[in-house]
Amino acid sequence: AQSVAQPEDQVNVAEGNPLTVKCTYSVSGNPYLFWYVQYPNRGLQFLLKYITGDNLVKGSYGFEAEFNKSQTSFHLKKPSALVSDSALYFCAVRDMNRDDKIIFGKGTRLHILP
Amino acid sequence: ETGVTQTPRHLVMGMTNKKSLKCEQHLGHNAMYWYKQSAKKPLELMFVYSLEERVENNSVPSRFSPECPNSSHLFLHLHTLQPEDSALYLCASSQDGGGPWQFFGPGTRLTVL
Repeated sequence: AQSVAQPEDQVNVAEGNPLTVKCTYSVSGNPYLFWYVQYPNRGLQFLLKYITGDNLVKGSYGFEAEFNKSQTSFHLKKPSALVSDSALYFCAVRDMNRDDKIIFGKGTRLHILP
Repeated sequence: ETGVTQTPRHLVMGMTNKKSLKCEQHLGHNAMYWYKQSAKKPLELMFVYSLEERVENNSVPSRFSPECPNSSHLFLHLHTLQPEDSALYLCASSQDGGGPWQFFGPGTRLTVL
């Protein structure tokens, strides 16, 4: 069965430092992978996606993610964190066997310390 | 209005009440989704409509009843809910039912007393 795991409930990073939010996945075929962000009292916003091509994907707000097939990971990264990056981040994988289904991780709360 | 809108933003209801959540998308998409987001649990897909036909129902209890009268509107009718149904209910839309580039609404925070 397809699944996605975010092993950290919360990540704390000092402002200006690089950040990483971890995600691993399990799919039967080629994965479509996504990151979404949810700011307080807001809906989810799409950040970036990986389908094929370059393993390093660049997205909104300076975020990027690296697809690693051997480690089945898709970690979200940013070189220099901002306090405004504090939010809830969801990794998601598209279920290739069921076109309309996206499976979400439980989310990781990112807290950037001023 | 642009994007995906949801009303109401907050709803408090008793277990015997009947209420409805509304979602409207202004993106010209032809697929719409209802998700449930509970604290400390993964986001759960509840219903998917593609071209106004329901194509996915992840074993959601019958006390949740969706309605999609056209490609721009989606409703979630609620009746005899339980306190454990308290959650954030998110609506999303996409083009062609393909799913990946879903655009989400702000959600309705539901509290069942």
